[in-house]
Amino acid sequence: EVQLVESGGGLVKPGGSLRLSCAVSGFTFTDYSMNWVRQAPGKGLEWVSSISRSSSYIYYADSVKGRFTISRDNAKRSVSLLVNSLRAEDTAVYYCARQISGSDASDMWGQGTMVTVSS
Amino acid sequence: DIQMTQTPSSLSASVGDRVTITCRASQSISSFLNWYQQKPGKAPNLLIYAASSLQSGVTSRFSGSGSGTDFTLTISSVQPEDFATYYCQQSHSMPYSFGRGTKLEIK
Repeated sequence: EVQLVESGGGLVKPGGSLRLSCAVSGFTFTDYSMNWVRQAPGKGLEWVSSISRSSSYIYYADSVKGRFTISRDNAKRSVSLLVNSLRAEDTAVYYCARQISGSDASDMWGQGTMVTVSS
Repeated sequence: DIQMTQTPSSLSASVGDRVTITCRASQSISSFLNWYQQKPGKAPNLLIYAASSLQSGVTSRFSGSGSGTDFTLTISSVQPEDFATYYCQQSHSMPYSFGRGTKLEIK
C-alpha cells in the first residue's frame, strides 16, 4: 500500500522555522519526483515546491523562494521542506504528494501537516 | 506564470444531474491539465490527468476534455458522494498553478 506521512507541523512565531518531513512507503521512491502543496484555512490549493528523483531539479513558488528549502533522502525514503522566516500567510496545511512521470500530476497525497504562524 | 481560471466558483446540482466545470489557462498548456476532487478535511484526490485520462480507481462518471487553453470536467450523473470541491491544475510549466476551485453543492 502506498503511504505518504507528513510530520513536523506546529505553532511557530513569525520569523520562526520548522522542518516538515514526509516519509513514504509502498513504492519505489527513486522513480518519482515529489511535491509540496499547501492550503490555507478555507482557501484553495497552492503548489509550493518540487524536487526531481535525484534532486537535480528543484523548483519553488515565488511566494516561498529564498525562505523554503526542499530536499530528499532517497536512502531514507523521505522528502523534507525546511521553512524559514515564516509569516502569517504561510499558515496552512502542507501536503506532500507523489508526481506521476509524464503528466506531472500528483497521484498520491499524504494527510497533511498543519503549520500555524502566530505570535 | 500561467494563470488558471476556473468557473463557476460554486455550483448547485441535484443527484442525477450532468455537471460541467470549466478551466481556462492564460496560455496554451497542450494537454497538461489535471483535475482533483477534495472533500472537507481530506487531501485532494486525482481524478483526471493529461486532460482526459481517467485515474485508476476513479468512476467513469468523471470525464475530462480539452487542449490548449480550454478544458472541462464533466460528471455525467452526480451522485451524493460527488459533492465536494474540484480543482484544475496545469503541469505544463513551473509553477504548477491551480485554479481557485469549484464547490459542488446539493440543490
